[in-house]
Amino acid sequence: SQQGEEDPQALSIQEGENATMNCSYKTSINNLQWYRQNSGRGLVHLILIRSNEREKHSGRLRVTLDTSKKSSSLLITASRAADTASYFCATARTGANNLFFGTGTRLTVIP
Amino acid sequence: GAGVSQSPSNKVTEKGKDVELRCDPISGHTALYWYRQSLGQGLEFLIYFQGNSAPDKSGLPSDRFSAERTGGSVSTLTIQRTQQEDSAVYLCASSYRDRVDEQYFGPGTRLTVT
Repeated sequence: SQQGEEDPQALSIQEGENATMNCSYKTSINNLQWYRQNSGRGLVHLILIRSNEREKHSGRLRVTLDTSKKSSSLLITASRAADTASYFCATARTGANNLFFGTGTRLTVIP
Repeated sequence: GAGVSQSPSNKVTEKGKDVELRCDPISGHTALYWYRQSLGQGLEFLIYFQGNSAPDKSGLPSDRFSAERTGGSVSTLTIQRTQQEDSAVYLCASSYRDRVDEQYFGPGTRLTVT
């Protein structure tokens, strides 16, 4: 079963604007990861944040994690048309061997 | 080096037929995962391999689904007597050892059961 829920389900913004996507989950985790998927095929790992971290940056990406609220957010700054994709959060749970994926946010960046 | 590869990229089969999906993980990655993604949905975990053994088969939806891995490398996911609800994209991922950190995904196999 899926672990997380992302919101919004879909987001449409103008190029240059910032995009914020949120993820909520239900159980305690070791880490939380964000992945990107183009055209419904393979996923690409974007960033990982561990349960003892609160914020992490990678290029134009900023991820926050609030374990008390069991939530995370992914911020993409200065968006580009090439950022158009689906974004999934995935959690690594203690004792589990696999990742638990959320339902995804479909981001469209309009040139 | 090469990433995770999967074959075929697309498969159309008739209901009731068996299908085999193949995954070649990144060389040196001992952990291998199969996931399924139905249209517009997130990924559903199917099975995990560490080397050639599958300590976690909890995600396999029915006994029509099975998987094996040989030589600690290539894995095959077999679906017997396919049903229309099996239609989905089947994604394979590998990672270094058993760390549930970054997973590297293949491009997937889109299975359509008619």
